[in-house]
Amino acid sequence: AQSVTQLGSHVSVSEGALVLLRCNYSSSVPPYLFWYVQYPNQGLQLLLKYTSAATLVKGINGFEAEFKKSETSFHLTKPSAHMSDAAEYFCAVSLTGANSKLTFGKGITLSVRP
Amino acid sequence: DVKVTQSSRYLVKRTGEKVFLECVQDMDHENMFWYRQDPGLGLRLIYFSYDVKMKEKGDIPEGYSVSREKKERFSLILESASTNQTSMYLCASSGRITGELFFGEGSRLTVL
Repeated sequence: AQSVTQLGSHVSVSEGALVLLRCNYSSSVPPYLFWYVQYPNQGLQLLLKYTSAATLVKGINGFEAEFKKSETSFHLTKPSAHMSDAAEYFCAVSLTGANSKLTFGKGITLSVRP
Repeated sequence: DVKVTQSSRYLVKRTGEKVFLECVQDMDHENMFWYRQDPGLGLRLIYFSYDVKMKEKGDIPEGYSVSREKKERFSLILESASTNQTSMYLCASSGRITGELFFGEGSRLTVL
């Protein structure tokens, strides 16, 4: 079975500051890893995904994440926060192979201060 | 533009009513899912389906059922709605290989 831990429920940064959202996973086999973003009153959109190619993954809106097997982590970063980044962010893991389900973390709300 | 469409964005129902939430995807995906989202609990999987007429229980199936008569359509049914089913319901679909999910915009259900 797989699981995801997102520590904390809320992160607040100033506009222009570094964004770092943490995600640790547990998986018995090499995982696929995902970050999703949810803006208010909307569904989830895929930010980026790791599927065993490059360990540094670049996504949309300037976000990136690095897969670190030794730390079982997949932290999401963005060098400079923008007001439009305020949203809820979910990390998710699935096992490799066909028809594998995603397991989501509890999510982190990102606030951006002017 | 690929889409997952949920039939109702907002619903208000009374306790005991039967509720249908409809979801349609246009990506020819084999897999479809229903999640509920509650503050502090993240997304929890209710039911999923890997093929037409197939269904499997997720983590919290009690009080729910599903129907998948066509590949593109996956319905969530609350046989007798209760107040603790007030929630945001999210439908998603995926292809067979990577598991990447595509989500609808959600259906916010309030049960009074």
